[in-house]
Amino acid sequence: AQSVTQLDSQVPVFEEAPVELRCNYSSSVSVYLFWYVQYPNQGLQLLLKYLSGSTLVKGINGFEAEFNKSQTSFHLRKPSVHISDTAEYFCAVFNTGTASKLTFGTGTRLQVTL
Amino acid sequence: EAQVTQNPRYLITVTGKKLTVTCSQNMNHEYMSWYRQDPGLGLRQIYYSMNVEVTDKGDVPEGYKVSRKEKRNFPLILESPSPNQTSLYFCASSFAGGELFFGEGSRLTVL
Repeated sequence: AQSVTQLDSQVPVFEEAPVELRCNYSSSVSVYLFWYVQYPNQGLQLLLKYLSGSTLVKGINGFEAEFNKSQTSFHLRKPSVHISDTAEYFCAVFNTGTASKLTFGTGTRLQVTL
Repeated sequence: EAQVTQNPRYLITVTGKKLTVTCSQNMNHEYMSWYRQDPGLGLRQIYYSMNVEVTDKGDVPEGYKVSRKEKRNFPLILESPSPNQTSLYFCASSFAGGELFFGEGSRLTVL
């Protein structure tokens, strides 16, 4: 069975500082990887995805993530955050073998302050 | 506009009173799924459907039912709601699993 671990439940950061949100997954087969963002009182929207090819993936709002197969990680980064980036971020893994569901991590709350 | 629409967005009900949360998508997606979101637990899958008349249990199916009579609709049914089903519910769809498109969520409170 696949699983996703987001080690940090909350990450406080000052505006314009860099940030990294960590995500590790476990799966015995090929996977697709996703980061979703949830702004307050809204649904989830896709930030970026890794399906194949280049391990460095760029998404919306200046975010990027790097797929590291040997470390089974898919950390999300942004070089300079803005107040508007305050949200909950979810990492998710899709098992291409069973193709039945997207498994989510427990989420990381990014809090950006002045 | 491509979207997943859930109704109601907010609902307060009492224990044992049957309710249905509707979900409709206009993207002709085969795959649809229901998740519940609880603090500290992330999103957990309740049920999913790979296509019309094909449904299967997710990780937390107890107390829920679903049906998929039409491709665009995937209602979530709580036959006898209990307080532990108080949660934020999301419907989602995709072409074949993988990248999901989410509805805005339905916040349910069971007293």
